[in-house]
Amino acid sequence: EDKVVQSPLSLVVHEGDTVTLNCSYEVTNFRSLLWYKQEKKAPTFLFMLTSSGIEKKSGRLSSILDKKELFSILNITATQTGDSAVYLCAIFRNSGNTPLVFGKGTRLSVIA
Amino acid sequence: SAVISQKPSRDICQRGTSLTIQCQVDSQVTMMFWYRQQPGQSLTLIATANQGSEATYESGFVIDKFPISRPNLTFSTLTVSNMSPEDSSIYLCSAPWGAGGYTFGSGTRLTVV
Repeated sequence: EDKVVQSPLSLVVHEGDTVTLNCSYEVTNFRSLLWYKQEKKAPTFLFMLTSSGIEKKSGRLSSILDKKELFSILNITATQTGDSAVYLCAIFRNSGNTPLVFGKGTRLSVIA
Repeated sequence: SAVISQKPSRDICQRGTSLTIQCQVDSQVTMMFWYRQQPGQSLTLIATANQGSEATYESGFVIDKFPISRPNLTFSTLTVSNMSPEDSSIYLCSAPWGAGGYTFGSGTRLTVV
């Protein structure tokens, strides 16, 4: 059975801290790993990672994939209160138009 | 990426009633997916909506409770039938775009009282 495990499940940090969110997976027909940020209802797309060792960056956020060890990390530097959200990791499988497999998410709270 | 308009945004419903959620995509998509997110939980797939055929439901979800329509390649509805408080959740539709990305509707927050 396909499985996506995120850790920690929740995290509280102070503004300015750096955080690392983890995602490990066991899926058949892996194609890519996606990170989403969910603040209210709809997840918003952050990154799609397909190749190992290539860091993707967007402002203070960055992410990297290790396809040998089957995990990915999402880093957020100089955190702000606006980073408070649930961060979801999902796997896109290489088998046609199949749905994403989601982890349980990491709830990040950034306090001033 | 495709843009999905979802409505209603939120609703408070009496138990025993039904609610239909609509998703309109601004481009044609082969598949659409419906998810439920119960409070504090991650997204759980309800069903895959195929145009021109019946939806495919995941284990634990049945057509009588969650009937789905997919009349064309840009539109789908999910009905939550005979609601109980346990159906209080966020409901999301999603569609694939490009090379592996998925876009989501804005979500429907349902509260059953």
